Amino acid sequence: DTGVSQDPRHKITKRGQNVTFRCDPISEHNRLYWYRQTLGQGPEFLTYFQNEAQLEKSRLLSDRFSAERPKGSFSTLEIQRTEQGDSAMYLCASRGVSTDTQYFGPGTRLTVL
Amino acid sequence: GEDVEQSLFLSVREGDSSVINCTYTDSSSTYLYWYKQEPGAGLQLLTYIFSNMDMKQDQRLTVLLNKKDKHLSLRIADTQTGDSAIYFCAESGAGRRALTFGSGTRLQVQP
Repeated sequence: DTGVSQDPRHKITKRGQNVTFRCDPISEHNRLYWYRQTLGQGPEFLTYFQNEAQLEKSRLLSDRFSAERPKGSFSTLEIQRTEQGDSAMYLCASRGVSTDTQYFGPGTRLTVL
Repeated sequence: GEDVEQSLFLSVREGDSSVINCTYTDSSSTYLYWYKQEPGAGLQLLTYIFSNMDMKQDQRLTVLLNKKDKHLSLRIADTQTGDSAIYFCAESGAGRRALTFGSGTRLQVQP
């Protein structure tokens, strides 16, 4: 399978715990995006990487959120001290140099109790 | 800022055509996209159109773009029950890397 993969697919955690999600982009895609999608809404942009550099962060990305892409391949998104409002689907997308389209992974559904 | 609006719900009978509409506000939008999302799944790219085009056809899908009115539509011919899903319109503009999405249109196909 050469699509975008995300792990885990589902995560249930208690408020105050830290969680980390992983995204593996399509091979050789140098651009990687994280989005958050809440129920009944479209995805909202969180952050963007080109290779290993984090070039853009949205206002939605509070200081409890951190994302990395250390070798320019897979990326991780960590949420510290989770809150119930963090419950959402976290989507990762990747894009290659010669394409104008973002390809999405299946998402990680986070439930904070 | 950028805004994308879609109607919430559309119901059609199997075999009919479906037309899903979208309006956007950013006149600098360069690409406009249609994604499909099935329950519990990620987003599947269906098609996209560059802003200097007014129509694009891809098998059962036809995209129409009215740039003057900032209106985008997706027509699905011979709609099947497997087309039941949420359809998202999205746009990207000059200098912006992220996509801006609408809230999605839920398409229900009645057998």
